[in-house]
Amino acid sequence: EIVLTQSPGTLSLSPGERATLSCRASQSVTSSYLAWYQQKPGQAPRLLIDSASTRATGIPDRFSGSGSGTDFTLTISRLEPEDFAMYYCQVYGRSRLTFGGGTKVEIK
Amino acid sequence: EVQLVQSGAEVKKPGESLKISCQGSEDSLTTYWINWVRQMPGKGLEWMGAIYPGDSDTRYSPSFQGQVTISADKSITTAYLQWSSLKASDTAMYYCARGDGYNLDYWGQGTLVTVSS
Repeated sequence: EIVLTQSPGTLSLSPGERATLSCRASQSVTSSYLAWYQQKPGQAPRLLIDSASTRATGIPDRFSGSGSGTDFTLTISRLEPEDFAMYYCQVYGRSRLTFGGGTKVEIK
Repeated sequence: EVQLVQSGAEVKKPGESLKISCQGSEDSLTTYWINWVRQMPGKGLEWMGAIYPGDSDTRYSPSFQGQVTISADKSITTAYLQWSSLKASDTAMYYCARGDGYNLDYWGQGTLVTVSS
């Protein structure tokens, strides 16, 4: 079973700053199988990035995904007030999905 | 527009049974996998399992196998998640979500299940 470890657990930043979120897999994964989600309080998660680097429909270009193998990154180039939220990575493997534990991006 | 509409919040006692639903458009419920995801209070996302309503092929996370049953009725474009005997630890928000290949591209609004004596 693939385990995803996200770091840091909490990221305290100011609007306009750059956010870099990490997702590390316990074994190498195919980039096509790696996705990122955003979840705001009281809302369902929203798909941000699929295939490690492809923005989902309607996602602003300040969000970008990168990485391969076991190390993946979600970058928010300049934080907007609406970007302060929880972020989860997710991988597909052996007919099942696995989520990371999440990173909270909070206002400093 | 793709929409997944889930049934309303439930309050149940331990030992009771429950079936919650997720209704979508015909296309969403017959040609895509419908997944169920649990989120316990203040915690992260956990994948429970999925069903392909077109042929009822079903997969479960080992953590949830035997604990819940996932089913679907494609004639009414609805997927279900059910418990035969609820526990307090089943208290959580449950989301259904459409599987687009290897990720979940559309989500229901969530169903809050509270189990308390």
